Amino acid sequence: AQSVSQHNHHVILSEAASLELGCNYSYGGTVNLFWYVQYPGQHLQLLLKYFSGDPLVKGIKGFEAEFIKSKFSFNLRKPSVQWSDTAEYFCAAGASNAGNMLTFGGGTRLMVKP
Amino acid sequence: GAVVSQHPSWVICKSGTSVKIECRSLDFQATTMFWYRQFPKQSLMLMATSNEGSKATYEQGVEKDKFLINHASLTLSTLTVTSAHPEDSSFYICSARDTKGQGLQGTGELFFGEGSRLTVL
Repeated sequence: AQSVSQHNHHVILSEAASLELGCNYSYGGTVNLFWYVQYPGQHLQLLLKYFSGDPLVKGIKGFEAEFIKSKFSFNLRKPSVQWSDTAEYFCAAGASNAGNMLTFGGGTRLMVKP
Repeated sequence: GAVVSQHPSWVICKSGTSVKIECRSLDFQATTMFWYRQFPKQSLMLMATSNEGSKATYEQGVEKDKFLINHASLTLSTLTVTSAHPEDSSFYICSARDTKGQGLQGTGELFFGEGSRLTVL
């Protein structure tokens, strides 16, 4: 069965700390991977995506993620977080031949203390 | 960027009544829209895929007769929660992809609505 798991449900960091949110997926075939962010009271927004090519993907707002196929992982990173990064982050995966149907991870709620 | 709008954003209803939630793509056409449900402190769960002009495809465990989906046009999909019960209280989110691939061409980016919070008393 297809599944996505996020290791941390709740993360609290101080400003300028480095961030890494774990994401592991379970898929049988070629997979597309995404990280979405939901700021308080706002829509889900796409942070970054991986379809193929360079496994290190750079997204908006200084975020990046690395696809490690051997580990079935797609961890999200940011070297120095800001208070404005406080949000909920969702990892998602979709089979490349399944249109836009995505399976979401459980989400990680990040709180950055000023 | 592309905008997906949901209405209403918040609805409170009595048990046993039906509630309709609309999902509109405001500046693009979407042959396919998706409906998700988010329980408190949990992830989004895909409920169904809404296909314009044809029947929706429901995920396993989602009751078709309870969650009626209609995708009557390329810009509108509706989710009707029939005979709502308190356990149906949740946050419902829709998403859509521009059929012409606007935004990020061929990348599968979905544009999400702002969500509709349903509270059944």
